[in-house]
Amino acid sequence: GQQLNQSPQSMFIQEGEDVSMNCTSSSIFNTWLWYKQDPGEGPVLLIALYKAGELTSNGRLTAQFGITRKDSFLNISASIPSDVGIYFCAGQGAQKLVFGQGTRLTINP
Amino acid sequence: DGGITQSPKYLFRKEGQNVTLSCEQNLNHDAMYWYRQDPGQGLRLIYYSQIVNDFQKGDIAEGYSVSREKKESFPLTVTSAQKNPTAFYLCASSLQRAAPEQYFGPGTRLTVT
Repeated sequence: GQQLNQSPQSMFIQEGEDVSMNCTSSSIFNTWLWYKQDPGEGPVLLIALYKAGELTSNGRLTAQFGITRKDSFLNISASIPSDVGIYFCAGQGAQKLVFGQGTRLTINP
Repeated sequence: DGGITQSPKYLFRKEGQNVTLSCEQNLNHDAMYWYRQDPGQGLRLIYYSQIVNDFQKGDIAEGYSVSREKKESFPLTVTSAQKNPTAFYLCASSLQRAAPEQYFGPGTRLTVT
């Protein structure tokens, strides 16, 4: 089946630093989504990308749909304590949404 | 406020008992989904429903059952046949099955001992 490789698995950064994470797949996806999950809560949709090459921002978050349609990137600028959580990418193929394993972000004050 | 509610937040059961998890949405979405999340893993699809009175198995449907009698409701039953039921269960909905954006409820943590 389709699988996503999300990296890094975890990040430990200082407050104020920029963050980058990515997802890659062996399959082509039509849509990429990025979610954030706080501990014990459901994922919240951050950004949706609909075509190859698309670059979309949501406040300090910027995501890109890779030109090959097999990858996507999420950047967070000037991290703050509330950015802590797990970030998931998800790719929409022909049949369903496929989720990455998540990137756990920890911020040292 | 429109959204998805799941209840209860925490659920404890003894091994061998069936248990039903509730999921309700007032977003007027056609499609609804159930996922299972285990520590350090992504979300795995259990069942989904595109329309009332219709549902399909996902990747890990064994030991689970669902019903979709109303558009707003998609309850999940974890049966005694599920070998490892302890997990965090997430319900989601989307406008249509073809719409990629899925919106999640707050989750139910089920512990079976």
